[in-house]
Amino acid sequence: NAGVTQTPKFRVLKTGQSMTLLCAQDMNHEYMYWYRQDPGMGLRLIHYSVGEGTTAKGEVPDGYNVSRLKKQNFLLGLESAAPSQTSVYFCASSSRYEQYFGPGTRLTVT
Amino acid sequence: DQQVKQNSPSLSVQEGRISILNCDYTNSMFDYFLWYKKYPAEGPTFLISISSIKDKNEDGRFTVFLNKSAKHLSLHIVPSQPGDSAVYFCAASAIAGGRGSTLGRLYFGRGTQLTVWP
Repeated sequence: NAGVTQTPKFRVLKTGQSMTLLCAQDMNHEYMYWYRQDPGMGLRLIHYSVGEGTTAKGEVPDGYNVSRLKKQNFLLGLESAAPSQTSVYFCASSSRYEQYFGPGTRLTVT
Repeated sequence: DQQVKQNSPSLSVQEGRISILNCDYTNSMFDYFLWYKKYPAEGPTFLISISSIKDKNEDGRFTVFLNKSAKHLSLHIVPSQPGDSAVYFCAASAIAGGRGSTLGRLYFGRGTQLTVWP
């Protein structure tokens, strides 16, 4: 039982490049989330999903897209990376209120 | 506009003493509250929670108190240990949101860095 896993763990992008972050969970959770964490800002919700095939915007969705084609996977895409997207990204999943987090992806955009 | 606030960015406590981390919220629809703990280079981990029908919940050295009239909750750690040194996030949720845009969504504070020194 791996819980929530994230791929990759680290990535460096140049401005304008694109990439996809993958989140996978093996707990059969309905809900999945993408957060970003920046110094002094806590955890800010980017997008989330309440079930397979559904997505919704969170607090800071601009510049990101998501897809939930399979219940166990939640993908976060950056179509044209900007330095302001340098951050640590966390995926989480839940069946009720307690969310379980992955280990994070540290992304640097130069 | 932050709906969950942790006004102390840091707290330093001696080993063996009590650590008290505070959290305030503004949305009266919140009825479930959680504390998460985060070590560097790791994801947050769930620590303890409390429903709005209670005013206290204990789990070993950790106790969460809820004061609904003041929209305030606190996490007490007794006794504090060096391994408790981490960032602590307070989070809140509205259980009665129904399936849709709010159920399951957590609103996080900005965190408090707790340092427990020997």
